[in-house]
Amino acid sequence: DAMVIQNPRYQVTQFGKPVTLSCSQTLNHNVMYWYQQKSSQAPKLLFHYYDKDFNNEADTPDNFQSRRPNTSFCFLDIRSPGLGDAAMYLCATSRQGGSLSNEQFFGPGTRLTVL
Amino acid sequence: DAKTTQPNSMESNEEEPVHLPCNHSTISGTDYIHWYRQLPSQGPEYVIHGLTSNVNNRMASLAIAEDRKSSTLILHRATLRDAAVYYCILLNPKEYGNKLVFGAGTILRVKS
Repeated sequence: DAMVIQNPRYQVTQFGKPVTLSCSQTLNHNVMYWYQQKSSQAPKLLFHYYDKDFNNEADTPDNFQSRRPNTSFCFLDIRSPGLGDAAMYLCATSRQGGSLSNEQFFGPGTRLTVL
Repeated sequence: DAKTTQPNSMESNEEEPVHLPCNHSTISGTDYIHWYRQLPSQGPEYVIHGLTSNVNNRMASLAIAEDRKSSTLILHRATLRDAAVYYCILLNPKEYGNKLVFGAGTILRVKS
């Protein structure tokens, strides 16, 4: 089945130690998103790629960066994780089609713990 | 981004229909109404979306008010597996692409 895969499902890092989360998709969608979801809160969009074009949300901290080397893969890099960055990180994809509104497909998420 | 208002929580009995309301009084003519749900410990899952007309799919029905200022997600027979947070989201692909801005959502509890 076509799907969105996130690895690892659980990641533990130390305060200040860079960490990379990965997302891959078999849907061949042109748009990929990264969301942050803290405990008991709703998901919050960090940034997205429309093909190779990177779109950062205005309030996303500089500590968060992303790479998309090809259509299938997208990475979330946290340069210096703080305790406040502990959260579930969700990757999603969609097929962008002009003015049409398309559903997003989410992965299962990576739960990040910062010690 | 246009905002939506949903009840914090609702409760339903198993096998009974559930009507989840959403108010969006500032909706614009090009805003789509999307519903997603998030089961415990999972990523959000698309449920249904519509623009002006009522919509049905295998998961649910979406009833949209004639003035589009409110909508209702209808689960025809709730099961325990439907217990989740349900998010009503307005999406304007012309202005904001396909970005989802999640509100607090409605926590649906299903009793057996």
